[in-house]
Amino acid sequence: GAVVSQHPSRVICKSGTSVKIECRSLDFQATTMFWYRQFPKQSLMLMATSNEGSKATYEQGVEKDKFLINHASLTLSTLTVTSAHPEDSSFYICSARAFELAGVYEQYFGPGTRLTVT
Amino acid sequence: AQKITQTQPGMFVQEKEAVTLDCTYDTSDPSYGLFWYKQPSSGEMIFLIYQGSYDQQNATEGRYSLNFQKARKSANLVISASQLGDSAMYFCAMRGLQGGSEKLVFGKGTKLTVNP
Repeated sequence: GAVVSQHPSRVICKSGTSVKIECRSLDFQATTMFWYRQFPKQSLMLMATSNEGSKATYEQGVEKDKFLINHASLTLSTLTVTSAHPEDSSFYICSARAFELAGVYEQYFGPGTRLTVT
Repeated sequence: AQKITQTQPGMFVQEKEAVTLDCTYDTSDPSYGLFWYKQPSSGEMIFLIYQGSYDQQNATEGRYSLNFQKARKSANLVISASQLGDSAMYFCAMRGLQGGSEKLVFGKGTKLTVNP
């Protein structure tokens, strides 16, 4: 099956610094990638949708200047948390959508990145 | 707006027994897809089963089956012959058009514990 990787799997950073998380589709091309955030014992909340070569679409309440998303190629999207604060500590999960085949497509999830801001 | 409701925060089941995890949904879209994912403590989201809104038959995948009742807007997951490794969080999700684009919306999840 299709594989989505995320790097790093865990990151600890100091308050005020920026952190970049990479999401790669390893064996397929993803025109659309999604970024989710999950707080402990809560559900996944969609932060933004990114399409290759265009600006990301952010969900209501998500600061686009704080969570910078770049979808530079069909296999790579990055999420940069700028000027991170402790409240940004969370589990970030990316998901990639494969090309449609006969009108059917799948959405594959990465393993997640646990961000801790101290 | 689309909404997924999972009313069971936690469920317990004995090993080898069957368990049903509830999921109801709300949408005005005639075309949508329903998914169940398993999230173990490692955090990865594992796809279990999919049901399209126009599918006539209930989806099955090995020990997983989806009890799709369209009129009731419910899509319950049935796990047969539970195993200890089934202990995890389970999320119901719906994919459909929202704000002009297709999105996957998740319920709050149910924590399943399988007892030996």
